[in-house]
Parts: sequence; C-alpha cells; structure tokens
Amino acid sequence: SQKIEQNSEALNIQEGKTATLTCNYTNYSPAYLQWYRQDPGRGPVFLLLIRENEKEKRKERLKVTFDTTLKQSLFHITASQPADSATYLCALDMPDDKIIFGKGTRLHILP
Amino acid sequence: GAGVSQSPSNKVTEKGKDVELRCDPISGHTALYWYRQSLGQGLEFLIYFQGNSAPDKSGLPSDRFSAERTGGSVSTLTIQRTQQEDSAVYLCASSLDRGDTDTQYFGPGTRLTVL
Repeated sequence: SQKIEQNSEALNIQEGKTATLTCNYTNYSPAYLQWYRQDPGRGPVFLLLIRENEKEKRKERLKVTFDTTLKQSLFHITASQPADSATYLCALDMPDDKIIFGKGTRLHILP
Repeated sequence: GAGVSQSPSNKVTEKGKDVELRCDPISGHTALYWYRQSLGQGLEFLIYFQGNSAPDKSGLPSDRFSAERTGGSVSTLTIQRTQQEDSAVYLCASSLDRGDTDTQYFGPGTRLTVL
C-alpha cells in the first residue's frame, strides 16, 4: 500500500536560513502532490500543488520540487521567519481518487 | 466569503454515547471530505461526498461511523456508541469540484474527547 514519509522529528532552523522539508512516498506515483501548513488548533491550509510533469513550483518564498524517480518532494522556505513555524503536511492523490496525507513535519524557526 | 465551519468546536462525551458533528462547507463547493487526526498522527481519510453521487465510505473505521450530506451542502458525521479510541480532532474540508488538482479548504475541526 502507498505510504508517505515525512521527517518524523521536529526541524529547528535559524531565522533567515532556508528550511527544507522532505516528503517520500513508496509505491504508486501520484499525478500531483500538495503541501499544506497546519497551525496548532487549526485545520490545514493549502500552500502549493505540483504535478507529476513539473520539476519545480515557486510561490513567493516557497519552492517545491517533485522527483518521480526518487519518489520524493522537497519543500523549501527561503529567508525563513519565526512566523513560518508550523507543521507542514504533504498530500498526494491515489488511483481511487482519495487523497492521503503524511504525518507532517513540525518546523521551528529560531529567532 | 465564509470558509468551512464546523460545530461544535469541542465535544466531551461518555463512552457509549452517540455524537453528531456538523460541517458547513463553502457555498458552491460540490466535494466534501471528513478526516480524523489523532495526536501526532497524519490525517486519516474517513468519507468523501461528490455532488449527488454515492459517498465513498471506504475510510470509515467501523460501522459505528456514518455520515450524511443533505441537499448537497451541510454534512453530519455520526459516531454511535463512542469508544475512547474515537477521541481525535475531526476535520471537514470542501473543494470546488473533485477535479484531479482541486484544493481542499479545511474547517477548524471538532475536538472529540471520549471519557
């Protein structure tokens, strides 16, 4: 069955540096992959979507890459700020039209 | 415009009781999803509604769980004879359609605690 693996430990990054989060999947190659941000006590908020035929997608300080050979997506936040501290979830589609989510990575940007 | 709303925001119940959780999706969104998120876990898909089609119930963990969507809008998730392992945050999301790239908009969730 399809599994999504994200950095299980919290990630601590110094303010101003680039934070890089990893999302790996095991079997089926999705048509697209999404990244969401979740703050404590709130529902996830959509950030970026990247399709299987796209290598890279950018939005302001965010950049997502998608490598179907490695079965991996990387999520980068450049010039990180304390306000970027949150849990980041990756999600991908399945052949049966469901979307499955990873457990998320907690990111702490240290001032 | 208004986002996805859920009620109640918190629910504490005793083991064996039934609970109903409500979701109001964004107006005009045809797709509606229910997820469950336990502490430290990812989102677990429960059920998906798309327009007037029969819902995809494949994620429901047991027959104690059921959901309805009336008039293609409001949805209710019902858990009968609640168990302590049902304690979690129940999240609802809606999207404009179930195209293969549609963004899901999440509500704030209902935190269910079964004592």
